[in-house]
Amino acid sequence: NAGVTQTPKFQVLKTGQSMTLQCAQDMNHNSMYWYRQDPGMGLRLIYYSASEGTTDKGEVPNGYNVSRLNKREFSLRLESAAPSQTSVYFCASSDGGMQWETQYFGPGTRLLVL
Amino acid sequence: RKEVEQDPGPFNVPEGATVAFNCTYSNSASQSFFWYRQDCRKEPKLLMSVYSSGNEDGRFTAQLNRASQYISLLIRDSKLSDSATYLCVVNGNTNAGKSTFGDGTTLTVKP
Repeated sequence: NAGVTQTPKFQVLKTGQSMTLQCAQDMNHNSMYWYRQDPGMGLRLIYYSASEGTTDKGEVPNGYNVSRLNKREFSLRLESAAPSQTSVYFCASSDGGMQWETQYFGPGTRLLVL
Repeated sequence: RKEVEQDPGPFNVPEGATVAFNCTYSNSASQSFFWYRQDCRKEPKLLMSVYSSGNEDGRFTAQLNRASQYISLLIRDSKLSDSATYLCVVNGNTNAGKSTFGDGTTLTVKP
């Protein structure tokens, strides 16, 4: 039982390049989330998917797109990377997306945009 | 003003000390409250949920004060392994998609 996995662990991009961050969970959770964490700051929600087939914007969605491929997988795409998107990206999942549930996080993807 | 604000820290304490962190939130409709722990360069992990009546888990005690809109975390008999960043998380009254994280308070426990 791997929990939440993310690939890649590290990535360096040049401004304007595109990439997709992959996330998968094996806990049969309905809800999945993408966060970014900048140095010295808390996590900010980019997008979330309450259930398979639905996605909604979070606090900082600009410059990102997401796809809930199936119940297990939730990907985050940067179409044209910018230096401001340099950050650590965490994927998370929770059972039903209810307010009292624990969120389980993946190990993160460290992205540097030059 | 941020929706969730935490003591800026860092807190540097000796082993065995008692340390307390506070977290204030601005949305009076908030329903669920949590403390997560984040080790350096790792993912956050749930430390404990915070219930209206307050709750305790070993050396950790969490309390909620709805009237003043703050939650607290008390750590007794600090261990070296408690060194981490502690994140306050507040959920709105809809679903977990509206989680708001504080910026975290860093604790270093020294021998």
